[in-house]
Amino acid sequence: EVQLVESGGGLVQPGGSLRLSCAASGFIFSTFGMNWVRQAPGKGLEWVSYISSGSSTIYYADSVKGRFTISRDNAKNSLNLQMNSLRDEDTAVYYCARDRVVVTATPFDYWGQGTLVTVSS
Amino acid sequence: DIQMTQSPSSLSASVGDRVTITCRASQDIRDDLGWYQQKPGKAPKRLIYAASSLESGVPSRFSGSGSGTEFTLTISSLQPEDFATYYCLQHNSFPPTFGQGTRLEIK
Repeated sequence: EVQLVESGGGLVQPGGSLRLSCAASGFIFSTFGMNWVRQAPGKGLEWVSYISSGSSTIYYADSVKGRFTISRDNAKNSLNLQMNSLRDEDTAVYYCARDRVVVTATPFDYWGQGTLVTVSS
Repeated sequence: DIQMTQSPSSLSASVGDRVTITCRASQDIRDDLGWYQQKPGKAPKRLIYAASSLESGVPSRFSGSGSGTEFTLTISSLQPEDFATYYCLQHNSFPPTFGQGTRLEIK
């Protein structure tokens, strides 16, 4: 069974930092790209970042570029998101979501349960 | 970026009703679209992939259609557990973009 479990959320002051993690199991993690998606309270879904299976390709939403860093450890089946210079508008539930293993497959099939990040003084 | 325009933003319906939700893409995305259901406090759950393929375990009352720029999600006969928020997602090109969501409420 595919499982994605996020951790690391919490309350942080504006300008602070936080590191989120996503523990993957039930599939060959090292062969799949991965994404972070967030959802502000009462709002819709917003894609945040993508990393390819071997970390060679990385994309960010303009809203987080230069502040967030995505990374992965395939030996530990772990996906990470380092969030620096946090702003009030970064307050959201952050989800990790599986991408695809081949171009012909479809991404965003499995999601974690989410972890809440609150940026407030 | 590709814009996904989803309508309606909210919808009131009764158990047994047939409902349709639409997503329009700002450019051709072929069939690179999924539909998701989200209940309060829960992660999104994929119902439809590749515009019209039903995810394993999803009831057959859900169906998707369309390609190019116009897509629909249809629920043929609403059940109590279907009242939720629905999103479309295009993954044809980066960044992936979501529709604004449709909140389906009980009339």
